[in-house]
Amino acid sequence: KNEVEQSPQNLTAQEGEFITINCSYSVGISALHWLQQHPGGGIVSLFMLSSGKKKHGRLIATINIQEKHSSLHITASHPRDSAVYICAVRLLSQFYFGTGTSLTVIP
Amino acid sequence: DVKVTQSSRYLVKRTGEKVFLECVQDMDHENMFWYRQDPGLGLRLIYFSYDVKMKEKGDIPEGYSVSREKKERFSLILESASTNQTSMYLCASSPLLGTGLVTQYFGPGTRLLVL
Repeated sequence: KNEVEQSPQNLTAQEGEFITINCSYSVGISALHWLQQHPGGGIVSLFMLSSGKKKHGRLIATINIQEKHSSLHITASHPRDSAVYICAVRLLSQFYFGTGTSLTVIP
Repeated sequence: DVKVTQSSRYLVKRTGEKVFLECVQDMDHENMFWYRQDPGLGLRLIYFSYDVKMKEKGDIPEGYSVSREKKERFSLILESASTNQTSMYLCASSPLLGTGLVTQYFGPGTRLLVL
């Protein structure tokens, strides 16, 4: 049983497409994080949110606390967006991670 | 910018060897974490530390130990490496949890191969 489920596991898109990655979780949370991991391993934090919606450039993250669901959207996708996107939730001192969505954007 | 560094990007060891993975952060963070990442399993917490000399077991502590003698440094030790410990190891740090929205900052990772 995984506390955090992501879909899809793998995603291939054409450059310019609108992309959505979904995350559902089963625990009460303090915050939800979207992380990006590029080939080579480095992980960076994209968003941290506990309600509503956040936007940074072409990336938008939304969360619905009642439905325990979050989405990460990428508008006008670009090959440099190719990476693994990981959803993580924090409950008190514990983090729970999804298994990640591997995104490939084709030129 | 927060910087979390790990002592090695790639490491090859033999079964039975003692392995040290070092992690250093420069932001005076209280919390530090060690994860391993395996295909299909995502990130799994091995140990975390919320203060110097303090440690807590994560989900998969068996076969590992940790040391935090200084606030900026958190070491992961494989007492006797085994092939099933071949993995990507990621260190992270964060400010004190419970003070609102905080995020973790990750190091670049160490790919360990145990032969």
